[in-house]
Amino acid sequence: KAGVTQTPRYLIKTRGQQVTLSCSPISGHRSVSWYQQTPGQGLQFLFEYFSETQRNKGNFPGRFSGRQFSNSRSEMNVSTLELGDSALYLCASSLVGTGNFYEQYFGPGTRLTVT
Amino acid sequence: ELKVEQNPLFLSMQEGKNYTIYCNYSTTSDRLYWYRQDPGKSLESLFVLLSNGAVKQEGRLMASLDTKARLSTLHITAAVHDLSATYFCKGGGADGLTFGKGTHLIIQP
Repeated sequence: KAGVTQTPRYLIKTRGQQVTLSCSPISGHRSVSWYQQTPGQGLQFLFEYFSETQRNKGNFPGRFSGRQFSNSRSEMNVSTLELGDSALYLCASSLVGTGNFYEQYFGPGTRLTVT
Repeated sequence: ELKVEQNPLFLSMQEGKNYTIYCNYSTTSDRLYWYRQDPGKSLESLFVLLSNGAVKQEGRLMASLDTKARLSTLHITAAVHDLSATYFCKGGGADGLTFGKGTHLIIQP
């Protein structure tokens, strides 16, 4: 079974631009969560989507948004990029939402650098 | 809001020694997860602990959960170099999941 895939793997953007990251979950998984990882703040929860609906949201500004499609693939968008948005963005999928006791499987991440 | 604290944040130890990583959490957590992350890589799931007193073991790693003390431990027995990595615990419930800051573990020959 193929794992969680994320595209692109690496991305360089300049301040003020916007970016869209993509995540394809494991086949059959309906929940997709996004995390931001930085050396200073560690791993922080961005949001979770389940069956095309956002179920939970972390403490991030409105510049960070996401969506999920009917095939469970998910995208996250960051508008008006700031230098502090430079991070590794990880996507995780699970069979059902995080409110249930199912394991999350993480993708390889997208390394975003904002200059 | 759930807060998760790991300690130590950095640990250097010799091969063959035993050590424990601690994960304290501030409020009720439905479950507790442990992950491993190698440099430049994603997170690999190690253990899921769902109930008080739960203990799971895989090779030289053993994780336990004490929900009354709001504490989980990851014990390393007779460490080997291949276990060098950053270890994260994660707790939470239906409202979301929170990671600890991670323990950067270096095992020296």
